[in-house]
Amino acid sequence: DAGVTQSPTHLIKTRGQQVTLRCSPKSGHDTVSWYQQALGQGPQFIFQYYEEEERQRGNFPDRFSGHQFPNYSSELNVNALLLGDSALYLCASRSSRLAGHEQFFGPGTRLTVL
Amino acid sequence: AQSVTQPDIHITVSEGASLELRCNYSYGATPYLFWYVQSPGQGLQLLLKYFSGDTLVQGIKGFEAEFKRSQSSFNLRKPSVHWSDAAEYFCAVISNDYKLSFGAGTTVTVRA
Repeated sequence: DAGVTQSPTHLIKTRGQQVTLRCSPKSGHDTVSWYQQALGQGPQFIFQYYEEEERQRGNFPDRFSGHQFPNYSSELNVNALLLGDSALYLCASRSSRLAGHEQFFGPGTRLTVL
Repeated sequence: AQSVTQPDIHITVSEGASLELRCNYSYGATPYLFWYVQSPGQGLQLLLKYFSGDTLVQGIKGFEAEFKRSQSSFNLRKPSVHWSDAAEYFCAVISNDYKLSFGAGTTVTVRA
């Protein structure tokens, strides 16, 4: 049973560019959340997708957008990249049908903006 | 809004010694609390969770945590630390809309 997978592992972009990160949830999971973890900090919630719609959003600008596909996989898009967007981006999945609140995390995508 | 505070940024402990990591939360309702561990360059692994019931919860890798409502705390403990426990540890609380709020983390260094 594959866990949460993310691609790519690492990414280097320059300021002003756009980036797309991808996430496949754990088998049986239908809800995907994205988190940004800057160096030396705890993860910060970006947004959550369920039934192909954004359900919750953290305190992030509109440059951050996402999408969820019918197979529950998800993308995180960041436009007009800033140096401060350099971080580890984590994807987490859960099942809406289970009572527990546990979320499973992927290994993350390390984004470096130069 | 919910929040988590981890007062200790960095802890150094000798191998075989006990470890305690502090976590204080702020949440209006009954909190759902978690401890995650993150090794360098890795994602987050769940150590244990508290939803309700027994306030002392057991997790993986020999870790345990105690929920104390009166102190708004959920401290993580391990009786005897192994070198492989060197990592960063995050305490988190989840809201009703399943949004996790993390503390800033505590880095644990294990010396031989």
